Amino acid sequence: SQTIHQWPATLVQPVGSPLSLECTVEGTSNPNLYWYRQAAGRGLQLLFYSVGIGQISSEVPQNLSASRPQDRQFILSSKKLLLSDSGFYLCAGDPGHSKNIQYFGAGTRLSVL
Amino acid sequence: GIQVEQSPPDLILQEGANSTLRCNFSDSVNNLQWFHQNPWGQLINLFYIPSGTKQNGRLSATTVATERYSLLYISSSQTTDSGVYFCAVDPNNDYKLSFGAGTTVTVRA
Repeated sequence: SQTIHQWPATLVQPVGSPLSLECTVEGTSNPNLYWYRQAAGRGLQLLFYSVGIGQISSEVPQNLSASRPQDRQFILSSKKLLLSDSGFYLCAGDPGHSKNIQYFGAGTRLSVL
Repeated sequence: GIQVEQSPPDLILQEGANSTLRCNFSDSVNNLQWFHQNPWGQLINLFYIPSGTKQNGRLSATTVATERYSLLYISSSQTTDSGVYFCAVDPNNDYKLSFGAGTTVTVRA
């Protein structure tokens, strides 16, 4: 199985500041990687996914962007945070074959004030 | 897109009770997974179950793909079973999961 490392666990940022959340993967090569956002008391919304280095697909238009500079590294960024960017951000990965069981990181709670 | 509906939205159990959670989906799927999110937010994969029945300790799951539903059974519930249970499906076989809204389970001692 694979392990997803995600940090920081909690982040408080002012409106208009930049954001960089990092996710790294252990235990598998060439994984599919995902960024989700979860609003309080709600389900998970897929933001971005990546099937390889430099390959990013965006699921919803928004103020955020993602990058995959290395096989096991996935970064979520923003140039200027909005209040509406607050939420719980989760990174996930799967091995990228037919039985793609997703494993999740511990998540980052972002509060934009 | 595919609709994933989970019921009930909330469930309160006394420790030791059994329960059944349901997930209905609106289209055929190649991949269905159940997850448990603990009170600290960590999501743990419970089952990969696009069809058939699986058991893992006190938890078991059944998916009837032809009828587009899946059931998660919790037997002899414990307080550590508390949290939110999510069903997620991949209708297009492209690895992207669509999540239901979840069932919040509270087990009281």
